[in-house]
Amino acid sequence: GAGVSQSPRYKVAKRGQDVALRCDPISGHVSLFWYQQALGQGPEFLTYFQNEAQLDKSGLPSDRFFAERPEGSVSTLKIQRTQQEDSAVYLCASSSGGRGRGYTFGSGTRLTVV
Amino acid sequence: ELKVEQNPLFLSMQEGKNYTIYCNYSTTSDRLYWYRQDPGKSLESLFVLLSNGAVKQEGRLMASLDTKARLSTLHITAAVHDLSATYFCAVGASGGGADGLTFGKGTHLIIQP
Repeated sequence: GAGVSQSPRYKVAKRGQDVALRCDPISGHVSLFWYQQALGQGPEFLTYFQNEAQLDKSGLPSDRFFAERPEGSVSTLKIQRTQQEDSAVYLCASSSGGRGRGYTFGSGTRLTVV
Repeated sequence: ELKVEQNPLFLSMQEGKNYTIYCNYSTTSDRLYWYRQDPGKSLESLFVLLSNGAVKQEGRLMASLDTKARLSTLHITAAVHDLSATYFCAVGASGGGADGLTFGKGTHLIIQP
């Protein structure tokens, strides 16, 4: 596609509910990233995929967070048993790779846990 | 651990004035990025800086990189209201290809008529 597409755009979850956030990267981009952006803060790295391989998940804040990219294109970030501190905007970015390549960000999913 | 500090965090300025936003980072890196974010929107890429001494300009914005000082600057010339936004710098780990970026907290810029 022309850009990075994320869905849903907004999600309200009750505390304890599981949620799944979807990212559809730019076609052909091998690298895909998830970031968490709290209100008024900069994005914080969560995890990184190269094709279907999850090469870095050091930023995932707890074992309630899980990400997958089974066919090397669309990715899903799943949060189990959501807590209020999970409320944030979740941004997905993709890149064609290489140090000179830019990163294209999606519009994000705003998650509010009530 | 790579840390990125921006200053100022908040800046209110008048149209027509010049100003500079600073971005310091704590460990060696060979990639620095500047992004713009409007309220409720995603991140828009402004500049990619890859080498010591790199300077890039687009319109009223100019970015530079000093890898020895671990410092990048974003200079705004003759500011206009449309430049009001939050500006982030982000740094990639040295030697990496495409990997996770570390962002600063952002500079919230308001340009008043």
